[in-house]
Amino acid sequence: KQEVTQIPAALSVPEGENLVLNCSFTDSAIYNLQWFRQDPGKGLTSLLLIQSSQREQTSGRLNASLDKSSGRSTLYIAASQPGDSATYLCAVEYYGNNRLAFGKGNQVVVIP
Amino acid sequence: EAQVTQNPRYLITVTGKKLTVTCSQNMNHEYMSWYRQDPGLGLRQIYYSMNVEVTDKGDVPEGYKVSRKEKRNFPLILESPSPNQTSLYFCASSFLGASKGTDTQYFGPGTRLTVL
Repeated sequence: KQEVTQIPAALSVPEGENLVLNCSFTDSAIYNLQWFRQDPGKGLTSLLLIQSSQREQTSGRLNASLDKSSGRSTLYIAASQPGDSATYLCAVEYYGNNRLAFGKGNQVVVIP
Repeated sequence: EAQVTQNPRYLITVTGKKLTVTCSQNMNHEYMSWYRQDPGLGLRQIYYSMNVEVTDKGDVPEGYKVSRKEKRNFPLILESPSPNQTSLYFCASSFLGASKGTDTQYFGPGTRLTVL
């Protein structure tokens, strides 16, 4: 079964610290991997998309890396701010699947 | 503004009363999809569509129907809702790449459905 795992389920960090969120997947035949942000009761906002041929993507304070051989992706958020408090979801699309397999998310609280 | 819209945003209904949740996108995306989100289970795909008149089952299609008669619209139909369909529902859309995989997926704001 093609599973996506995000551990820990919840974490808190003091403002200004760098955030490191991990995502692992069981099948290396991925088409792409996306990181999303979800605020409570709201929809999902795409943060970064990494194609299978890429190793990383960057947008502002966010950087996501992809290592297919080890089945891992990492989302780095530099110099975290209270506004970064949200749930971060990792989702993988596998070849020939046309569906996103989601992890259950990392609930992040940035403490002022 | 590029967006995915869903209606209604909140709905309380009773068991067995047919309902439709609409989804519309203005980005000319080929791909559209429905997900449900439940505590402890995360997001799971219900149905998806690769283009007009092309739909396929996701991971949890039982009790749902969809149609794709126009490119911009992808309604979700519950013909006889049951309490276990109480959930938060999201519609999403995307372009398709050359390999027919999706690109960045854009999500609607969600529809919170309660079936009594």
